[in-house]
Amino acid sequence: GESVGLHLPTLSVQEGDNSIINCAYSNSASDYFIWYKQESGKGPQFIIDIRSNMDKRQGQRVTVLLNKTVKHLSLQIAATQPGDSAVYFCAELLNTGNQFYFGTGTSLTVIP
Amino acid sequence: GAGVSQSPSNKVTEKGKDVELRCDPISGHTALYWYRQSLGQGLEFLIYFQGNSAPDKSGLPSDRFSAERTGGSVSTLTIQRTQQEDSAVYLCASSRRTGDGYTFGSGTRLTVV
Repeated sequence: GESVGLHLPTLSVQEGDNSIINCAYSNSASDYFIWYKQESGKGPQFIIDIRSNMDKRQGQRVTVLLNKTVKHLSLQIAATQPGDSAVYFCAELLNTGNQFYFGTGTSLTVIP
Repeated sequence: GAGVSQSPSNKVTEKGKDVELRCDPISGHTALYWYRQSLGQGLEFLIYFQGNSAPDKSGLPSDRFSAERTGGSVSTLTIQRTQQEDSAVYLCASSRRTGDGYTFGSGTRLTVV
């Protein structure tokens, strides 16, 4: 399968601080990326997506940055809240593919 | 339906038994996907359906695993002669068409004892 890796398996942040979760991908042919959030006992939930013709996309309290030169993706969460505690996955879709490839995930813990 | 529904939510089975896992995708979603998630691991692709046909079965771990989809809607993942290493959460997802982002169900937690 494709290689989608994360730099850190766990991340702890203080409530109110900003969080940055990183993801490296290996295939330059990937052209669509999604970040998912998975809370305990639930399926992954879509957070934000970005296509390869963009380098930044913003949502509500979340921003995704894409650096195609170094094949790096990041998710920034502003003013992290306890409800943000979850495992975050990045997923990539090849421009020739039909299914997404997922990384192993980063576990985010927000300290009140 | 409003979301992707999976049943059962939990299944405990004895080694060697067959199990069937069901997925009800969002109405109108033509693409349906099965993934497996072992404890603390990422999502492992199993199989994908476009309508009722499965163009990509490359992720099925062995011939004990099979899946079908009928009426372009409900899908069943069947595991025959279950083994302990089959224990995992089996996630189903659907999308309006291939290449779109997924909506996941809550998964079926399978435990083989």
